[in-house]
Amino acid sequence: DTGVSQDPRHKITKRGQNVTFRCDPISEHNRLYWYRQTLGQGPEFLTYFQNEAQLEKSRLLSDRFSAERPKGSFSTLEIQRTEQGDSAMYLCASSLVLAGVYEQYFGPGTRLTVT
Amino acid sequence: AQTVTQSQPEMSVQEAETVTLSCTYDTSESNYYLFWYKQPPSRQMILVIRQEAYKQQNATENRFSVNFQKAAKSFSLKISDSQLGDTAMYFCAFMKFNGGATNKLIFGTGTLLAVQP
Repeated sequence: DTGVSQDPRHKITKRGQNVTFRCDPISEHNRLYWYRQTLGQGPEFLTYFQNEAQLEKSRLLSDRFSAERPKGSFSTLEIQRTEQGDSAMYLCASSLVLAGVYEQYFGPGTRLTVT
Repeated sequence: AQTVTQSQPEMSVQEAETVTLSCTYDTSESNYYLFWYKQPPSRQMILVIRQEAYKQQNATENRFSVNFQKAAKSFSLKISDSQLGDTAMYFCAFMKFNGGATNKLIFGTGTLLAVQP
């Protein structure tokens, strides 16, 4: 068990370009969450999956954002036509659906800079 | 909608001293969980301590303890015998009860704690 991993760790892109981030959760975890953290703020919820089903999306997730978890394992978050306001740390977390288990395990994040 | 407020953007404490970080929250839910997460510089967020709202007893984890005041909607974190490794951003977070599963976390803005040698 190597924990939650995210790739890439850093991404610099020009405004208008598309970017995709990947998250690999802890292997047996069936819930996967995406959060966004801007400078000086706490993480804000974007969306989450249980297995391959996307169960909730925040209103922060505009139509330029799309997330997938095709086989219930890793997940991708794509941002189309990036804007400078998309610059943030994107965090992934995973958890096990089991009575009495309430901890989400976080990855190191992907820091996006849009120039 | 739930909100979490941390009114102390930065705090400093001397090594081996005790420090208390404040957190208040607002919710109409009766069953929920509260957490303190630690985010060390350039490292991933880890769970420090958890409190179930239905439990009256305050949670403790080694040097970390909470003061949970449900009526006042207050949830402070006390760190005893502070160590240099406690230097980090600390986030208070709320989670609505969701049966036997986790739910999305609602975070405060964080308190940056610096432990001075």
